[in-house]
Amino acid sequence: TQLLEQSPQFLSIQEGENLTVYCNSSSVFSSLQWYRQEPGEGPVLLVTVVTGGEVKKLKRLTFQFGDARKDSSLHITAAQPGDTGLYLCAANAGNNRKLIWGLGTSLAVNP
Amino acid sequence: GAGVSQSPRYKVAKRGQDVALRCDPISGHVSLFWYQQALGQGPEFLTYFQNEAQLDKSGLPSDRFFAERPEGSVSTLKIQRTQQEDSAVYLCASSLGLAGLSEQFFGPGTRLTVL
Repeated sequence: TQLLEQSPQFLSIQEGENLTVYCNSSSVFSSLQWYRQEPGEGPVLLVTVVTGGEVKKLKRLTFQFGDARKDSSLHITAAQPGDTGLYLCAANAGNNRKLIWGLGTSLAVNP
Repeated sequence: GAGVSQSPRYKVAKRGQDVALRCDPISGHVSLFWYQQALGQGPEFLTYFQNEAQLDKSGLPSDRFFAERPEGSVSTLKIQRTQQEDSAVYLCASSLGLAGLSEQFFGPGTRLTVL
């Protein structure tokens, strides 16, 4: 069974702090996606990483795909209350059918 | 609107009732997915359609769950004889191409509460 483990499960920080959340697996993936979900809404895609070692930046968010394409991290610099939400990673195992989803990291940024 | 829409947004059912949840995907999107999401958890895959063909239904938890997409557009997820453990948010997503390669666009979900 291919699993994606996300850590931490919950994170509560003050505005302005930095944070990193992780998405790990023992399996190799052809691509990995990060989504953000707000209460009462569906997940929204933030980024897709494809190449081992790839780093992508989206304003204050930095995403990295591990060299072996088994893990990924999301780093947020100077977090703001608007960053509050559930951060989900999802990976494509290569069967082109469905994504494997992590359980998510619930982030709360307090003003 | 141009996004994925779902109806109803909220549904309360008595145990044993049948429910039908509707998903209107983005026009022209080939792939359609149904997920079940518990509070604070990630989505759990239920089933996948490519146009009107249901290619994967391995995530449906029991034979009480049935999904269809007869014309390759609108999809309905039906749950028969609902149980309390069916209470969850049911998310629908669509994508332009094949599942693992294309971005999935999600609807807001239907929150089902079974009393």
